[in-house]
Amino acid sequence: TQLLEQSPQFLSIQEGENLTVYCNSSSVFSSLQWYRQEPGEGPVLLVTVVTGGEVKKLKRLTFQFGDARKDSSLHITAAQPGDTGLYLCAGAALGSARQLTFGSGTQLTVLP
Amino acid sequence: DVKVTQSSRYLVKRTGEKVFLECVQDMDHENMFWYRQDPGLGLRLIYFSYDVKMKEKGDIPEGYSVSREKKERFSLILESASTNQTSMYLCASSPRTAWPQHFGDGTRLSIL
Repeated sequence: TQLLEQSPQFLSIQEGENLTVYCNSSSVFSSLQWYRQEPGEGPVLLVTVVTGGEVKKLKRLTFQFGDARKDSSLHITAAQPGDTGLYLCAGAALGSARQLTFGSGTQLTVLP
Repeated sequence: DVKVTQSSRYLVKRTGEKVFLECVQDMDHENMFWYRQDPGLGLRLIYFSYDVKMKEKGDIPEGYSVSREKKERFSLILESASTNQTSMYLCASSPRTAWPQHFGDGTRLSIL
């Protein structure tokens, strides 16, 4: 079974600060997804990274896939209260694009 | 707007009962998934279906079964509910060759 470890598990910061969330594994993934989940709702897909070393930007969010496709990071610049939520990474196993291994998530709270 | 709809937001059942969780998607997606979400464990795949009447076991299928008689509807069945099945259940869908893209808002199930 492939495992994905996310760190930190909890993060509480002030509005305007920058932060980075990490997603690590000893396994290689064909792709890696990042989701955000708000209370009482299902996860929403933010981005998919496929190529080792790939960097994608979504407004103030920057996602990077590790060169070896075993890890990923999410960097948020100038965090806002609307960024509050549970951030989940999920890796797709080689040869099985439909099945994902999810990390346990990072609960981010941005205080106004 | 695309939508995955789960029939109940909250459900309380007793041990030994047969429990049905329903999920409907309006995007004509081939793939549908059932996950459970527990604190600290992330999302774990119970079953997924890649076509009508087709299903594959996920990581934790024990104690569950599924039914997909129509493309838009995917049902999760707890044959004889037990207290360790108390959890948040999430349904998702995606096109044929893709990872889970759209999630429902979840059913919080309590087994007493």
